[in-house]
Amino acid sequence: QQQVKQSPQSLIVQKGGISIINCAYENTAFDYFPWYQQFPGKGPALLIAIRPDVSEKKEGRFTISFNKSAKQFSLHIMDSQPGDSATYFCAASFSNQFYFGTGTSLTVIP
Amino acid sequence: NAGVTQTPKFQVLKTGQSMTLQCAQDMNHNSMYWYRQDPGMGLRLIYYSASEGTTDKGEVPNGYNVSRLNKREFSLRLESAAPSQTSVYFCASSPLGYQPQHFGDGTRLSIL
Repeated sequence: QQQVKQSPQSLIVQKGGISIINCAYENTAFDYFPWYQQFPGKGPALLIAIRPDVSEKKEGRFTISFNKSAKQFSLHIMDSQPGDSATYFCAASFSNQFYFGTGTSLTVIP
Repeated sequence: NAGVTQTPKFQVLKTGQSMTLQCAQDMNHNSMYWYRQDPGMGLRLIYYSASEGTTDKGEVPNGYNVSRLNKREFSLRLESAAPSQTSVYFCASSPLGYQPQHFGDGTRLSIL
């Protein structure tokens, strides 16, 4: 059973556009929600993270929106660039147990 | 600053062989983790060590054992490798469980 459901599986966006990736969870014990970016042949790298006591967090072009009542959170990439082309993973955690989504392959077309 | 170092980077094993994957971090982190990554499955937690001297099972621990050798090193052992364990294995570390994880670049393991 997938603890964290991520969509879409793949996404193609024009340069300068907004990329949106969505995740949903069921376990209300989760209390830490990070997003990771992964390039081919490399390990995931933390992009941005949020705790459930805030509804939004912004770092540069990356924003997490968090809806605690709906048990959903999303990543918005503003002004998407070709260098953002990568696989993105959401995750949810409690007590050192981390559960990852299945990933979204983002392609930004110049 | 090396961060999280995994060895080896690639390995091919035959079914039934044993293997230890090594992981070391130089960031003085307390917590360390082992994941496997399979196509379409995301990353799944195998084992973790919240602090030196402790280890706990994650989501998919069967067929694996771990050792937290000291604060820096956390190894993953396959006692009798099976084709279903063909995967990319990632080690990660974090200062504490609720803080960002830093990942190594993975070990690509094929079991024939």
